[in-house]
Amino acid sequence: DAGVIQSPRHEVTEMGQEVTLRCKPISGHNSLFWYRQTMMRGLELLIYFNNNVPIDDSGMPEDRFSAKMPNASFSTLKIQPSEPRDSAVYFCASSSPMYVETVGYGYTFGSGTRLTVV
Amino acid sequence: GENVEQHPSTLSVQEGDSAVIKCTYSDSASNYFPWYKQELGKRPQLIIDIRSNVGEKKDQRIAVTLNKTAKHFSLHITETQPEDSAVYFCAASMWGYSTLTFGKGTMLLVSP
Repeated sequence: DAGVIQSPRHEVTEMGQEVTLRCKPISGHNSLFWYRQTMMRGLELLIYFNNNVPIDDSGMPEDRFSAKMPNASFSTLKIQPSEPRDSAVYFCASSSPMYVETVGYGYTFGSGTRLTVV
Repeated sequence: GENVEQHPSTLSVQEGDSAVIKCTYSDSASNYFPWYKQELGKRPQLIIDIRSNVGEKKDQRIAVTLNKTAKHFSLHITETQPEDSAVYFCAASMWGYSTLTFGKGTMLLVSP
């Protein structure tokens, strides 16, 4: 398995522009998470999906952020309009079904998207 | 909700020394505690985890201990090597619930 795949790896955009981050989870994983990482705030959960359904979006900063998961193999995180304070590394992670007693249950993270808003 | 505190925020040791990172959690219902290692510019990766039905788990040079009464757990790295230099994150959740709550991370620097 190729792991969790995120694109793009780097994104530089101007303030006010729309940004779309993409994620392909590991096949068979039924939970998907979007995290934002900054030096000041660490890893913050933005939203998570279970079986493609958004379960908790309380971490989404504001209405400028939206996330979708149209099917089990694809999710997007959109920021519109982007602002300089959105600059961070955005990680997508997926996990296997919770009832599966796998060794090392836990998230598998993607490589992240480093977003810079200028 | 769950709150995870992690200490210290930075830790410098000499190669060969031991390193200990400590975390406390607030929700007594939490019963799953993984640790992640994040090297510079890379993704966090799971290195070891523990569930509340055991008090200690070892994997070669790393070990995790759990004290459910005190609601704290620790990562122990023995015989540290320069390649152990990274940011380490602890996390907590309830088994059966997906969401992990992460600590703020500890930057470990191992000097040759």
